[in-house]
Amino acid sequence: QVQLQQWGAGLLKPSETLSLTCAVYGGSFSGYYWSWIRQPPGKGLEWIGAINHSGTINFNPSLKSRVTISVDTSKNQFSLRLSSVTAADTAVYYCTRGSLYIPSLDWGQGTLVTVSS
Amino acid sequence: DIQMTQSPSTLSASVGDRVTITCRASQSVNSWLAWYQQKPGKAPKVLIYKASSSQTGVTSRFSGSGSGTEFTLTISSLQPDDFATYYCQQYKNYPWTFGQGTKVEI
Repeated sequence: QVQLQQWGAGLLKPSETLSLTCAVYGGSFSGYYWSWIRQPPGKGLEWIGAINHSGTINFNPSLKSRVTISVDTSKNQFSLRLSSVTAADTAVYYCTRGSLYIPSLDWGQGTLVTVSS
Repeated sequence: DIQMTQSPSTLSASVGDRVTITCRASQSVNSWLAWYQQKPGKAPKVLIYKASSSQTGVTSRFSGSGSGTEFTLTISSLQPDDFATYYCQQYKNYPWTFGQGTKVEI
């Protein structure tokens, strides 16, 4: 059974960089889509970006200039960096694994990131 | 970006009710649509993919239909465990986009 375990700093100051990592246990890393999704408190889901099995990365244009997604296949991990955060970036961030037919099949536990001065 | 609009935003229902949630896309997504269920404090869980395919292990109470721009998620007989928020998501074009959610409450 695949498990996604994520971690990263939960409290940031404005202008700092958000950094989260997601480790994949119990399943293959190759051949899947690896996404980041966030959810502001009490609000809906927002897709941030994804890297697919061929290494192509796609981002939400609303965040593109600030987002970096990377993969470390040797560790079965992928990461998110979001620069110049503001209070509007406060959210629960999820990492997910998907396939061609199911964009987010497996989910991490979520990490609440709060941006506050 | 493809805009996804769900209706209603909130739905009040009783155990045993048949419930239908609608998701409309601003342009055709063919059948590249998924439905998720989310309970408070938990990560979403996929119910339906490719508009009408049920994810393994999901109860047959949930069914999806539609193609193009209009889709529905139906719960045939609402059970206490089904009170949650439901989201649709298109994955035909980047950026993948979600509907705003439908909260099913008593």
